[in-house]
Amino acid sequence: DADVTQTPRNRITKTGKRIMLECSQTKGHDRMYWYRQDPGLGLRLIYYSFDVKDINKGEISDGYSVSRQAQAKFSLSLESAIPNQTALYFCATSDVTGGLETQYFGPGTRLLVL
Amino acid sequence: QQQVKQSPQSLIVQKGGISIINCAYENTAFDYFPWYQQFPGKGPALLIAIRPDVSEKKEGRFTISFNKSAKQFSLHIMDSQPGDSATYFCAASIGDSSYKLIFGSGTRLLVRP
Repeated sequence: DADVTQTPRNRITKTGKRIMLECSQTKGHDRMYWYRQDPGLGLRLIYYSFDVKDINKGEISDGYSVSRQAQAKFSLSLESAIPNQTALYFCATSDVTGGLETQYFGPGTRLLVL
Repeated sequence: QQQVKQSPQSLIVQKGGISIINCAYENTAFDYFPWYQQFPGKGPALLIAIRPDVSEKKEGRFTISFNKSAKQFSLHIMDSQPGDSATYFCAASIGDSSYKLIFGSGTRLLVRP
């Protein structure tokens, strides 16, 4: 979905390096999320933010940190990358209409940690 | 702890056949059950969703069946087409202010021509 963009789309890094994955959205949504996807494990929530001042840990936040620079921007950082952080990372936004929530995912960032 | 169990892991169906993907959940507080569809190289996208106040919801060829007593729900794709080949994720959440989705492990569907 072009309304949610992620950069970079692919990244190769070495163990111990710090990297940042960036997410921008033009949907005007307050809620933003970071997930990682691993084969056979589905999508697991890393962090989520309901507005610029509200950031919460998800299921698997260890080793990750986030920054909500503005309503439209939500960045994920790996302070010291390790090989088991090799995964596909998705940013998402969400809104609620009629009591039903829809999440809108970006195209993903494929990260390889050597 | 996996709160939403999805099966099968992969599924091959002939064109025109019915694809069925099943999910079971543990937390009885879940009250919102969406299905997401993901094509290769893309992010997941909402396909169809249901609340437990109904037992079935149909949108075109896609139907969700919900069994509250068994804590199970399933996606049925009627007249499956090669363009339906994708990975499907079920999910569940508690419809309070958190709206945190718990995803199943995914099912890779291949529809043969």
